Amino acid sequence: DTGVSQNPRHKITKRGQNVTFRCDPISEHNRLYWYRQTLGQGPEFLTYFQNEAQLEKSRLLSDRFSAERPKGSFSTLEIQRTEQGDSAMYLCASSLGRGNIQYFGAGTRLSVL
Amino acid sequence: GESVGLHLPTLSVQEGDNSIINCAYSNSASDYFIWYKQESGKGPQFIIDIRSNMDKRQGQRVTVLLNKTVKHLSLQIAATQPGDSAVYFCAENPYGYSTLTFGKGTMLLVSP
Repeated sequence: DTGVSQNPRHKITKRGQNVTFRCDPISEHNRLYWYRQTLGQGPEFLTYFQNEAQLEKSRLLSDRFSAERPKGSFSTLEIQRTEQGDSAMYLCASSLGRGNIQYFGAGTRLSVL
Repeated sequence: GESVGLHLPTLSVQEGDNSIINCAYSNSASDYFIWYKQESGKGPQFIIDIRSNMDKRQGQRVTVLLNKTVKHLSLQIAATQPGDSAVYFCAENPYGYSTLTFGKGTMLLVSP
């Protein structure tokens, strides 16, 4: 257990529905990252926060995706109008600043039917 | 659990052998590197890291070597155990950026 908690672990939804995932980072970590991983590939960066500020978003993050970290603690990732191509493992990581170890949660596995 | 290792390069070793997993990174401006281990259905687990001002770093049973001239990283695992079976990813952190860029991964299979 790395100390990064993600919920739910699995989510099955129908195409067109909205889904929301939650990440609770290691408490003293100021940086929180979201990645997406598809089968057989390494994680791909989506977005990251320093405290409550969202500082960078990948081009992978379409306008159907939104992330928040309202009080600089937990974060949520919402996907609106899900598509089958959104099926993937969504991973959250946290770190104490740049150039330090990013600790990952166990991920949320999304299946869009 | 679901496999994340489909169609990945695979290294098969016997228990007790030493394993070497290689990784070519892409950005000459990267100044921080991490190796992660990922078991089926789980998130990546930190193994060891190295900064660009070092060529070698040792942990418990693991050693990371960095060759900046050819942009190459390797992970050496001594006395490999069946519990080491997993997919291994290297990741680089380019200077000035906060995100990690992951390599394609290598599946390590350890036979008893």
